[in-house]
Amino acid sequence: GQNIDQPTEMTATEGAIVQINCTYQTSGFNGLFWYQQHAGEAPTFLSYNVLDGLEEKGRFSSFLSRSKGYSYLLLKELQMKDSASYLCAVPDNTDKLIFGTGTRLQVFP
Amino acid sequence: GAVVSQHPSRVICKSGTSVKIECRSLDFQATTMFWYRQFPKKSLMLMATSNEGSKATYEQGVEKDKFLINHASLTLSTLTVTSAHPEDSSFYICSARAPGLAGGIYEQYFGPGTRLTVT
Repeated sequence: GQNIDQPTEMTATEGAIVQINCTYQTSGFNGLFWYQQHAGEAPTFLSYNVLDGLEEKGRFSSFLSRSKGYSYLLLKELQMKDSASYLCAVPDNTDKLIFGTGTRLQVFP
Repeated sequence: GAVVSQHPSRVICKSGTSVKIECRSLDFQATTMFWYRQFPKKSLMLMATSNEGSKATYEQGVEKDKFLINHASLTLSTLTVTSAHPEDSSFYICSARAPGLAGGIYEQYFGPGTRLTVT
């Protein structure tokens, strides 16, 4: 089966850098997703990693290590609007996305 | 592209009544849609997978007679909460699979969600 772990909450200061970790255990591996979800809204796609390494997309980067079952989302130059939940998700062997509990990030001025 | 809409965005109903929530893929065809439920400050809980033209597949613990799902066309899936009770109050989110985009065949695009309150 699938198991995904993320920290429940994190706080950071505007302008800083924050790294949100995700560890996973899967019977197979078909990539890893990161989604952002603001309170009361639907999740929005941030990134998809299927190969090892770092993928950068503006202020956000996502890293994957398949051998370690580990990923992180790196947010640079934090802005107040980055306060949200960040969800790590992996497809299971029936192609459904299994979500972690999400990490609630609060950015303070 | 890959826009998913949900209607209504908010609904309040009385206990014992039924409520229908619509999920539409606006600019693509979705053979597979998913229905999730989310409690405050919790992650998404998959309720069921909706396949166009066939019966939905429900997750363990989800009552299929209470949460009726119909996927009548390639762009529309509906979730009907029957005989609603206050404990059914939640945020319901649908998503549609949009293969070929950044996340390969597994990527899902989410609707804006429906806040259901049962009084």
